[in-house]
Amino acid sequence: KQEVTQIPAALSVPEGENLVLNCSFTDSAIYNLQWFRQDPGKGLTSLLLIQSSQREQTSGRLNASLDKSSGRSTLYIAASQPGDSATYLCAVRPNAGKSTFGDGTTLTVKP
Amino acid sequence: NAGVTQTPKFRILKIGQSMTLQCTQDMNHNYMYWYRQDPGMGLKLIYYSVGAGITDKGEVPNGYNVSRSTTEDFPLRLELAAPSQTSVYFCASTLGLAAYNEQFFGPGTRLTVL
Repeated sequence: KQEVTQIPAALSVPEGENLVLNCSFTDSAIYNLQWFRQDPGKGLTSLLLIQSSQREQTSGRLNASLDKSSGRSTLYIAASQPGDSATYLCAVRPNAGKSTFGDGTTLTVKP
Repeated sequence: NAGVTQTPKFRILKIGQSMTLQCTQDMNHNYMYWYRQDPGMGLKLIYYSVGAGITDKGEVPNGYNVSRSTTEDFPLRLELAAPSQTSVYFCASTLGLAAYNEQFFGPGTRLTVL
């Protein structure tokens, strides 16, 4: 059974800092990995999707990497801003189509 | 496109009551999912559907039922509500199983059972 772990559960950084969020998974037979952002009381917004054949994806200040062999993905946020404060979730999808989610990392960026 | 829409946004139920959570998507997606999210946790899959007329259980299906009579709609039925079903419910959809297909989520329904 696939297990997805996100450590740390919470992270607080000063504005302007570069930071890395981690996502680990136990079964490397994945189809894709998707990073989401969730604001308090809101739904999930897709940030980046990395297919199993890809090593990384970039969107603006965000860069996500994937290392299937080690069961790890990282989400790099450059020059963090208070507006980046949210919970970040990763979801791993196997071929069968049913995703497994991590519990998320809650990020606070202090002005 | 409105994307994935859910109604209601909030609901309070008494123990033993029933209700249906509505989910509609206008992207012509084949796959639809229902998840629940408990406080401080990730999402757990309740039921999913690979197309009209086809549904299957996820990780936590007990106490719920679904149907999928059209491509657009995927309602979730709660029978005999229990306090353990207090949670936020998210509906999601994806076009297919290709590796580049993203999941899109609705805004959620916050349910409290008292």
